[in-house]
Amino acid sequence: DAEITQSPRHKITETGRQVTLACHQTWNHNNMFWYRQDLGHGLRLIHYSYGVHDTNKGEVSDGYSVSRSNTEDLPLTLESAASSQTSVYFCASSGNRGYSPLHFGNGTRLTVT
Amino acid sequence: QKEVEQNSGPLSVPEGAIASLNCTYSDRVSQSFFWYRQYSGKSPELIMSIYSNGDKEDGRFTAQLNKASQYVSLLIRDSQPSDSATYLCAVNKAAGNKLTFGGGTRVLVKP
Repeated sequence: DAEITQSPRHKITETGRQVTLACHQTWNHNNMFWYRQDLGHGLRLIHYSYGVHDTNKGEVSDGYSVSRSNTEDLPLTLESAASSQTSVYFCASSGNRGYSPLHFGNGTRLTVT
Repeated sequence: QKEVEQNSGPLSVPEGAIASLNCTYSDRVSQSFFWYRQYSGKSPELIMSIYSNGDKEDGRFTAQLNKASQYVSLLIRDSQPSDSATYLCAVNKAAGNKLTFGGGTRVLVKP
């Protein structure tokens, strides 16, 4: 069955370190997204991609970057981790038809100390 | 004003009763609407999608959309303790599938 996999599931890092969260999908979806979820803020869009070599900023993109070198993967990089980036991160993908729903990965809980 | 607003709850419902959740959105060009359920510590899972005005039923769930009033609602009939979760409303303005989420409504179904 097609799926979307995130790794690691949990990560603890120190302030200032570079961190990369992996996202891999086997749906063959063009559209991929990264969200963060925090109490009181719900799900907020960080970056998204509509295809290989395409990346776009979401509403909370500062301090984050993504790259899309193939259809299956959209890694999220925190250039210099900050305590404010402690959160649960969800990767999602959606089908190539308009208005297709999102399929979510299981999430990565990141703690920045 | 947030783009998508939901009452955070908790909405406490007796087992067997109807749970009614509401969501309002600010952008009139919004085209598609989704309800996701999220259990504590888990990822959101899609339970309903609706694209045109009116009601859409799927099992115990009914989604209602009123574009003129800019609201979408979710009814859960015969509520079960397993329905206890946070329900997220999401809105899509264009075919790019970039969803905007509300903050979620926490539902507690008491036996």
